Amino acid sequence: GAGVSQSPRYKVAKRGQDVALRCDPISGHVSLFWYQQALGQGPEFLTYFQNEAQLDKSGLPSDRFFAERPEGSVSTLKIQRTQQEDSAVYLCASSLGPASGGSTDTQYFGPGTRLTVL
Amino acid sequence: DAKTTQPNSMESNEEEPVHLPCNHSTISGTDYIHWYRQLPSQGPEYVIHGLTSNVNNRMASLAIAEDRKSSTLILHRATLRDAAVYYCILRAYSGAGSYQLTFGKGTKLSVIP
Repeated sequence: GAGVSQSPRYKVAKRGQDVALRCDPISGHVSLFWYQQALGQGPEFLTYFQNEAQLDKSGLPSDRFFAERPEGSVSTLKIQRTQQEDSAVYLCASSLGPASGGSTDTQYFGPGTRLTVL
Repeated sequence: DAKTTQPNSMESNEEEPVHLPCNHSTISGTDYIHWYRQLPSQGPEYVIHGLTSNVNNRMASLAIAEDRKSSTLILHRATLRDAAVYYCILRAYSGAGSYQLTFGKGTKLSVIP
């Protein structure tokens, strides 16, 4: 079946531009996560949705970062006034059930969007 | 948050077993141990997880120490396709509403033909 898809796969933005990154999770998955991965580092948590509710946004680095999932399926991560330090791969993951730490909690990742801010 | 410690890199010959260690001395009783791997230019991929007992699946085995302060991911026969960064992760409630994955730097596994 279809996995998690993300678009665009690559995005180049000039400093100060706004960008929007899209994530299509696996159909029926309740949970959706966004992560940021800098070069040579492991992914870092940004935010978590359970259906359309954003339950945890503790990892968002600044108020320039905004995420939404209005109908509980597709999610968009928006970055306003991009800075060079925002350059990274942005990963989206979904899981079947509400986040719990147990067996239904396996996260399925998309290929990521590589953002380069010039 | 409980943390994990892994070697930065390891090498293995193709078709030989690989044992990837992970220390998690501050693990709490409700923390699950998860392993993910990330192939070059791809998103992370689930490998296996466990709580107390050893676990096997088609990809790998997970051996958990009796005191749960360490674990070992075992690939029974390494192939070139197994070359990746392997992350050992403790799943714990964040207190802010989710069980996000907290990745470290992982172990970069190289497989030699």
